[in-house]
Parts: sequence; structure tokens; C-alpha cells
Amino acid sequence: ILNVEQSPQSLHVQEGDSTNFTCSFPSSNFYALHWYRWETAKSPEALFVMTLNGDEKKKGRISATLNTKEGYSYLYIKGSQPEDSATYLCAFNPMGGADGLTFGKGTHLIIQP
Amino acid sequence: ETGVTQTPRHLVMGMTNKKSLKCEQHLGHNAMYWYKQSAKKPLELMFVYSLEERVENNSVPSRFSPECPNSSHLFLHLHTLQPEDSALYLCASSQERTGKMNTEAFFGQGTRLTVV
Repeated sequence: ILNVEQSPQSLHVQEGDSTNFTCSFPSSNFYALHWYRWETAKSPEALFVMTLNGDEKKKGRISATLNTKEGYSYLYIKGSQPEDSATYLCAFNPMGGADGLTFGKGTHLIIQP
Repeated sequence: ETGVTQTPRHLVMGMTNKKSLKCEQHLGHNAMYWYKQSAKKPLELMFVYSLEERVENNSVPSRFSPECPNSSHLFLHLHTLQPEDSALYLCASSQERTGKMNTEAFFGQGTRLTVV
């Protein structure tokens, strides 16, 4: 059974502040790590797909890092805005396993004006 | 609009009913997926179809029966469900180059299913 853990479960951040949260995943048989943003009443939307140890990806004010040897990834949001309020999901894809993703429970982020 | 459309958006069904969920993707992808999200649980993979062949059945009870008639359409046939099957059912698609999901998945908005 694959275990993908995300912390914290929920987070309140003041508008303008920066924040980050964590995803941990099995460090063996790693193939890819995905981050998704899921806004209420919408579909989950991909942010990043990361495959290499030490990968760092950026999209606007959001960035992510990856450490496959120790099995964790961080997602950073710089200068939070109200539109960043969403649930952020990470998902693990192992090498050699069947297709499909194993998701964490997500970090529910609320940006307070 | 993500290019993945699910119908219906909401469904209420009795335990003796038979219903189907439909998913259509307009992205030219070659893999499609059913996920389930129950309250306070992570998204759980149910079924994977790659090139219209089922490649994974993640220990899902037989009262859930998937069908993939072509690479653009995916169905989930439901019969004799239980109240604990009430959940959000999400469809996704992706383009698999090497048979692994190393490209991003595109999700539909889901069907909120309530079994009474």
C-alpha cells in the first residue's frame, strides 16, 4: 500500500504572506510526483509534474521542489492572493507499478484578506 | 473547461437501481481513469484504461463496472450500490507515452452520487 502524506491538512494565511506545505511519499520505486490545485466546484488542475531528484519548477508565484531520495516535495506560494484559496493535492506515481496516481488527502489553503 | 466532460453532475439512486456515469474527453488522450473521493479520504484510483484496455482494477467491488468503448469515452455502470458508495466520482484522462502516467492528468468536474 502506497502512503502519500500531506501536511498541514489546512492552513489559514494572510493575503500577501508567503506559505509552503509538504508532501511525503515512498522514496523507493519513484517515477513521478504531481501537484494539483482543486478549487471548490471545479476540477483538479495540474500545477506540476516532477520526475528528477532536485527538480524545481515554477509557475508564476507558485513553485515546487522535489527530493526523491528522502521522499518529499514542497510547494511554495509567494505573496498569497485570495484566488490561491484551494485544496492542493500531491500524487505519487511509482516505477514498475500499475498506471494511475496515489493521492494524498490534500492541504486546504484559505487566504484571508 | 478542461476538455473532460462528465454527466450527470449529480445523481441520486436507490440501492436497487442501475445507472451509468459518462465521461468524454476531447483532448486526444490515450488513457482514461475513474477516481472516487469519499468524505475525508483522498482521491482513490478505481480503474485505468490504456488504449481502451483495462490495465488496472484497484480492488473495486463488482457492483461498479467500467466500460471504455473508444479512447474518448468512458462509462461507469452502477448496480445494487450501497449507501457507503455515496461519493464524488471523477474521471480523468492523460497521454501516456511510455505506459506510465508521467504527464499531467486532466479531470472532469465529477459526478456527485448519493445512494439512498
